[in-house]
Amino acid sequence: SAVISQKPSRDICQRGTSLTIQCQVDSQVTMMFWYRQQPGQSLTLIATANQGSEATYESGFVIDKFPISRPNLTFSTLTVSNMSPEDSSIYLCSVVVATGELFFGEGSRLTVL
Amino acid sequence: AQSVSQHNHHVILSEAASLELGCNYSYGGTVNLFWYVQYPGQHLQLLLKYFSGDPLVKGIKGFEAEFIKSKFSFNLRKPSVQWSDTAEYFCAVNAPSGTYKYIFGTGTRLKVLA
Repeated sequence: SAVISQKPSRDICQRGTSLTIQCQVDSQVTMMFWYRQQPGQSLTLIATANQGSEATYESGFVIDKFPISRPNLTFSTLTVSNMSPEDSSIYLCSVVVATGELFFGEGSRLTVL
Repeated sequence: AQSVSQHNHHVILSEAASLELGCNYSYGGTVNLFWYVQYPGQHLQLLLKYFSGDPLVKGIKGFEAEFIKSKFSFNLRKPSVQWSDTAEYFCAVNAPSGTYKYIFGTGTRLKVLA
């Protein structure tokens, strides 16, 4: 298993500002992903966070809007840039462990006014 | 591209009723299949998984799921639900020989009436 800590757990932000979400894992993991869960909807994969290289973004998500860093195998950050109310969502960090299971953090609930 | 569809968006049952939630995926190759549950105010937790072998898998809290390859389905079942099963249930698929991304269905919101 893996224990994933995300910070902040929630935040209220003004339109046009940026917020960085941190994800810390208690063990080294190869695969790390960032998902978004909008109110009443399912999980949408934003990107795969690659250690030591640029993240791999899914269709509809771009690096300028969601820059991701992954300096090592236990830590990653996701920044939501130039926020608008449409970015209000829960952002989830997740990792794949050796058994092939995907574990999730508690999520960061973002509200943009 | 992989996709997952869940047929029921909202299900309301009385306690002791039987549950079956549908899940179909589209992907031609080998897949790993999962059901996740999200209880109110909590984070996503793995309910059960299928990688290979016996297509009938048992998970936590009395849940089970059956992989039917010919139907591209992985339906979740429980013979007798409890009020505490009220949650949102997500089916997910992962292609281990591909990009290893996990794709989730739209979720089914289950409410169990006491």
